[in-house]
Amino acid sequence: DQQVKQNSPSLSVQEGRISILNCDYTNSMFDYFLWYKKYPAEGPTFLISISSIKDKNEDGRFTVFLNKSAKHLSLHIVPSQPGDSAVYFCAARVRNAGNMLTFGGGTRLMVKP
Amino acid sequence: EPEVTQTPSHQVTQMGQEVILRCVPISNHLYFYWYRQILGQKVEFLVSFYNNEISEKSEIFDDQFSVERPDGSNFTLKIRSTKLEDSAMYFCASSALGAVQETQYFGPGTRLLVL
Repeated sequence: DQQVKQNSPSLSVQEGRISILNCDYTNSMFDYFLWYKKYPAEGPTFLISISSIKDKNEDGRFTVFLNKSAKHLSLHIVPSQPGDSAVYFCAARVRNAGNMLTFGGGTRLMVKP
Repeated sequence: EPEVTQTPSHQVTQMGQEVILRCVPISNHLYFYWYRQILGQKVEFLVSFYNNEISEKSEIFDDQFSVERPDGSNFTLKIRSTKLEDSAMYFCASSALGAVQETQYFGPGTRLLVL
């Protein structure tokens, strides 16, 4: 099941620079997208979300962009901080199909001081 | 800040044994979920629960699995006869509402190892 795909298993960025994490999806019924961050031995922590009626949502250092025609979303972190080092998951939900989240495989972000 | 809690943090069991994983969702939340993550694989949805009944379940959630809200605070996942392939990290989550915009908040997980 590859409905949500994160093609980069890892990303390394210098502190202060921009981190861009990408996510692609195939199910055109997805209507709501979320990004979660996960540290080792902890559960996923919600970061930011976006509805399919928008193309951008911003919260502090985090911005999510949605390109529906390309079925692509990205998470931008500016500026990146060492504490941002974690695994980032994108997840998606289908409108009127319950609350099930479909997750991507995750991207491990390493922010170097 | 309210959070979802899970016990135990680790559980080791023998194949064929029953296990019960426990979760305390955020207190004013109405929707509860179980997900699992097998080592090296994606986080996968198992089941959602609302108003004391299952509202949605995946094909992973077969007859070996059951969920219950035994009281006003706990939400449990029972695996009746564990198999080796049930070894995974099990995450509980809760949300205030089931609307599409509602965020699911996850607990820290229970690492289950079936020997």
